[in-house]
Amino acid sequence: SQQGEEDPQALSIQEGENATMNCSYKTSINNLQWYRQNSGRGLVHLILIRSNEREKHSGRLRVTLDTSKKSSSLLITASRAADTASYFCATDGISGSRLTFGEGTQLTVNP
Amino acid sequence: DTAVSQTPKYLVTQMGNDKSIKCEQNLGHDTMYWYKQDSKKFLKIMFSYNNKELIINETVPNRFSPKSPDKAHLNLHINSLELGDSAVYFCASSQDSMTVPYEQYFGPGTRLTVT
Repeated sequence: SQQGEEDPQALSIQEGENATMNCSYKTSINNLQWYRQNSGRGLVHLILIRSNEREKHSGRLRVTLDTSKKSSSLLITASRAADTASYFCATDGISGSRLTFGEGTQLTVNP
Repeated sequence: DTAVSQTPKYLVTQMGNDKSIKCEQNLGHDTMYWYKQDSKKFLKIMFSYNNKELIINETVPNRFSPKSPDKAHLNLHINSLELGDSAVYFCASSQDSMTVPYEQYFGPGTRLTVT
């Protein structure tokens, strides 16, 4: 079964607003990563958070991880039209190094 | 400088044909991957090579055969193409995946359409 599930599947906001995307997973993990995919392009790594970390920041991105709830959230502050993309969480299991990607959240930022 | 490149970007072919997709990375990474992304954008790993050695081989039809001539290249050959093979195929690479997972760098994708 699929490891990660993003919520919501689609999100539409106005420029300047904050966008929050959630990811839930089923098994224990070592790390959780977030990726962005612009339409027709490959995925781009955004941020990695380790299982012993609870929060991480990178520019306008803030990621939280709650291993007790097996969930993570990605917050994009002061969104821009250029943030329009699909966002995926990816987890790696303790027993292996492969990444399992979630279904993705399609974010649309309207100018 | 392109970090991970794939050729071709688009591939349209008929059922039953054999086709190959090439991937090259100039990042000096040890590990390379092939992913398949379906029409719903679900991304699933197919294969992974570390220093030319196959380390991940998901449940993929044996019509798909990866080949890694050196650690900078990972090609994907598909025999007897079927309609269900239509998807976007992504190549990716990372510094090391044997112990600590690193961020993966993705190529631009190859959109395969089987008619």
